[in-house]
Amino acid sequence: GAVVSQHPSRVICKSGTSVKIECRSLDFQATTMFWYRQFPKQSLMLMATSNEGSKATYEQGVEKDKFLINHASLTLSTLTVTSAHPEDSSFYICSAEVPSKTDTQYFGPGTRLTVL
Amino acid sequence: AQKITQTQPGMFVQEKEAVTLDCTYDTSDPSYGLFWYKQPSSGEMIFLIYQGSYDQQNATEGRYSLNFQKARKSANLVISASQLGDSAMYFCAMREGPAGGTSYGKLTFGQGTILTVHP
Repeated sequence: GAVVSQHPSRVICKSGTSVKIECRSLDFQATTMFWYRQFPKQSLMLMATSNEGSKATYEQGVEKDKFLINHASLTLSTLTVTSAHPEDSSFYICSAEVPSKTDTQYFGPGTRLTVL
Repeated sequence: AQKITQTQPGMFVQEKEAVTLDCTYDTSDPSYGLFWYKQPSSGEMIFLIYQGSYDQQNATEGRYSLNFQKARKSANLVISASQLGDSAMYFCAMREGPAGGTSYGKLTFGQGTILTVHP
């Protein structure tokens, strides 16, 4: 299957700082990437759809000024959590869509963010 | 209404036995795709199997098979010969609309089922 990497895997930051998370497709080009948030023992919640070369599409209730998404190339999308607060602590996971007859999404390993 | 429903919060199975994880879905779109993912405690989401709405046969991938009953709108995952490494959370997901269509591949996930395999 396709390989997606995510960095960092774990980050701890102070309240008020910004954190950038990178999502890379390693062996394929991804026009579309997705960012999800997951709370413990819960399902994935789609935050936004990231399209290369255009603005991200955010889901209802997700603050686009808080969660900045940039998809600058066909292999890289970044999520920046700006002015992070403890309530932003969560597991963030990205996926990249392999263009095919199934459009299967392959996921990165996730980033555990802890805001102190 | 929930678009994807997984009614089993937890399931237990003996090693080497088969287990079925339930998933029902709701959509009015004639074209859709159904996916199953496995999430071990490490957190990564591992793609297991895909079923398209127009596929005539049930999908199979190694020990995984999908029992697709279109009229009942169910897409149950069957794991044969369970292994200890199968212990994980399993998610059913749906993409509404055809691949490459205007849905941009958005997936809707169920709440997940925690599978525990006993030795």
